[in-house]
Amino acid sequence: GENVEQHPSTLSVQEGDSAVIKCTYSDSASNYFPWYKQELGKGPQLIIDIRSNVGEKKDQRIAVTLNKTAKHFSLHITETQPEDSAVYFCAASTGSARQLTFGSGTQLTVLP
Amino acid sequence: GAGVSQSPSNKVTEKGKDVELRCDPISGHTALYWYRQSLGQGLEFLIYFQGNSAPDKSGLPSDRFSAERTGGSVSTLTIQRTQQEDSAVYLCASRRTSGSTDTQYFGPGTRLTVL
Repeated sequence: GENVEQHPSTLSVQEGDSAVIKCTYSDSASNYFPWYKQELGKGPQLIIDIRSNVGEKKDQRIAVTLNKTAKHFSLHITETQPEDSAVYFCAASTGSARQLTFGSGTQLTVLP
Repeated sequence: GAGVSQSPSNKVTEKGKDVELRCDPISGHTALYWYRQSLGQGLEFLIYFQGNSAPDKSGLPSDRFSAERTGGSVSTLTIQRTQQEDSAVYLCASRRTSGSTDTQYFGPGTRLTVL
């Protein structure tokens, strides 16, 4: 089955700096890669996603890049703000069921 | 519109008791998923429902876990004879399957504590 690895497990950045979180996946058939943000006591919320026919996608301060050959994808957050502090999860899925396999999460802390 | 709702938000039970966790998906979403999130861990897939098809139970960790979905809407996850290792947050997600839609929307979860 699919295996998703996520690094780093914790990341601290100064407000205004950029943050990068990286994930690798094992199943070359995976074709959908969402990123979720989870705040304390809440369920995960989708922040951006990318499909395998696209190499990069951007939404304001957030961008995701995908390298299908290397089987890795990354989340980039620019101009970080304290409210970006949360746990971020990457995930991968394949097939019509869209069952997600998640990475282990990254605790991002943005220091004011 | 209303998102995915789950109840209860917190459940404390004693080892050996049965528990039922409820999920109300977004109206019109035909796909429903249950995941488990242990402390400090990622989300682990448990079970998937799609319309009237037989559910995909491949992620259920033991036969003490079961789930049903009545009328294609509300779902109940049941854990029998709970063990301490069942303590976790149980998350439900739903997805609209008409059109090429991949997004899963998550509920706030039920935090289960087994004493």
